Amino acid sequence: DIQMTQSPSTLSASVGDRVTITCRASQSISSWLAWYQQKPGKAPKLLIYMASSLESGVPSRFSGSGSGTEFTLTISSLQPDDFAIYYCQHYSSYPVQFGQGTKLEIK
Amino acid sequence: EVQLLESGGTLVQPGGSLRLSCAASGFTFSTYVMTWVRQAPGKGLEWVSAISGSGDNTFYADSVKGRFTVSRDNSKNTLYLQMNNLRAEDTALYYCAKDKRYCGGAACSGEFDPWGQGTLVTVSS
Repeated sequence: DIQMTQSPSTLSASVGDRVTITCRASQSISSWLAWYQQKPGKAPKLLIYMASSLESGVPSRFSGSGSGTEFTLTISSLQPDDFAIYYCQHYSSYPVQFGQGTKLEIK
Repeated sequence: EVQLLESGGTLVQPGGSLRLSCAASGFTFSTYVMTWVRQAPGKGLEWVSAISGSGDNTFYADSVKGRFTVSRDNSKNTLYLQMNNLRAEDTALYYCAKDKRYCGGAACSGEFDPWGQGTLVTVSS
């Protein structure tokens, strides 16, 4: 099975900062990677799919990059609404798997 | 608009059984893989199971294999998760989700969009 490792687990940042979250796969997953945002008490929301494709309606300050085993989610200028937990997910094959999550906190 | 509405979550004793349902609307249900994902209190997301649009192919996480069964009724646009021999570690909010990728009735793994609001399963004596 392919394992997904996210870093950091927690990230403290300020409004306006540029932040990057990393997700590593235990073997190549090509570009079969998605990123989700989850806010307290809410279901996860798809942000990025196919590693770098922005889901419709998601602000352009979110971007994804990478292929193979290393991927990044970047938020170019943090907004107050962006403080949440972010998960990566591979879907190269079953079983699909999520990373353990990155909590983005206000500094 | 795509909508997913889970139901069936409740308090159940260890060793008990439960069936979750997910009513879908707003898309051609039979042509999309459907998935169950769970989230234990204060923890991350765990993929549980998936089923192809036709229902011919099913997939399970090792943690539930042999205890959970996923199924679907395409005539009712409804997804199910039969959960047997429940354990305390199965306590979680269970989400159903639609795969974004279109695979006809075939099996393919995809990203999840949208998700339902979740139904809470608590396994405790």
